[in-house]
Amino acid sequence: AQTVTQSQPEMSVQEAETVTLSCTYDTSESDYYLFWYKQPPSRQMILVIRQEAYKQQNATENRFSVNFQKAAKSFSLKISDSQLGDAAMYFCAYRSPMGSGGSNYKLTFGKGTLLTVNP
Amino acid sequence: DAGITQSPRYKITETGRQVTLMCHQTWSHSYMFWYRQDLGHGLRLIYYSAAADITDKGEVPDGYVVSRSKTENFPLTLESATRSQTSVYFCASSEHQGQPQHFGDGTRLSIL
Repeated sequence: AQTVTQSQPEMSVQEAETVTLSCTYDTSESDYYLFWYKQPPSRQMILVIRQEAYKQQNATENRFSVNFQKAAKSFSLKISDSQLGDAAMYFCAYRSPMGSGGSNYKLTFGKGTLLTVNP
Repeated sequence: DAGITQSPRYKITETGRQVTLMCHQTWSHSYMFWYRQDLGHGLRLIYYSAAADITDKGEVPDGYVVSRSKTENFPLTLESATRSQTSVYFCASSEHQGQPQHFGDGTRLSIL
């Protein structure tokens, strides 16, 4: 079974600075999907960024980018120019490839990292 | 508006009662999921559905029942609520396996 580990329960960053959130995972599959979700105090689960394992290029969405190291099974999230609105719980999630069937297409989540942004 | 809607947003009930959490999506997504979120556990899958009338167990299904008579609805029922089922429940949907899951706003359920 796949596991996802977020080793930083809490992180803080100054407004306008850069912060990196860590995520590692364990899998025997060669093709899969990785996601970062943001959960602000409103409790919504908001997709931040997505990475397909077969793509070597790191995904980027505006101020959010990932450092995907497939061999190391690492998938960190970098937030540049941090804003007060970035304060939230961030979850890393893993998903098995298409066609794997059964419950394999569920998301397996890490336990989350609480990000505080200081003005 | 298109999207995924959960109701109620908050619910308090007593042990032994039956309670149903509703989930409705307007995208006609095939796949729907129920997760529970507990401190220290992240989100864990309770049940999922690949299409109408097709459901299957996830990681923590005990004490829960689901149905999917229509593509757009995926209710979750606690047949006899227990305190250990106090949690925040999220419904999600996706168009197909490869697409990201979109989440509802969650239901905070407290069982006294």
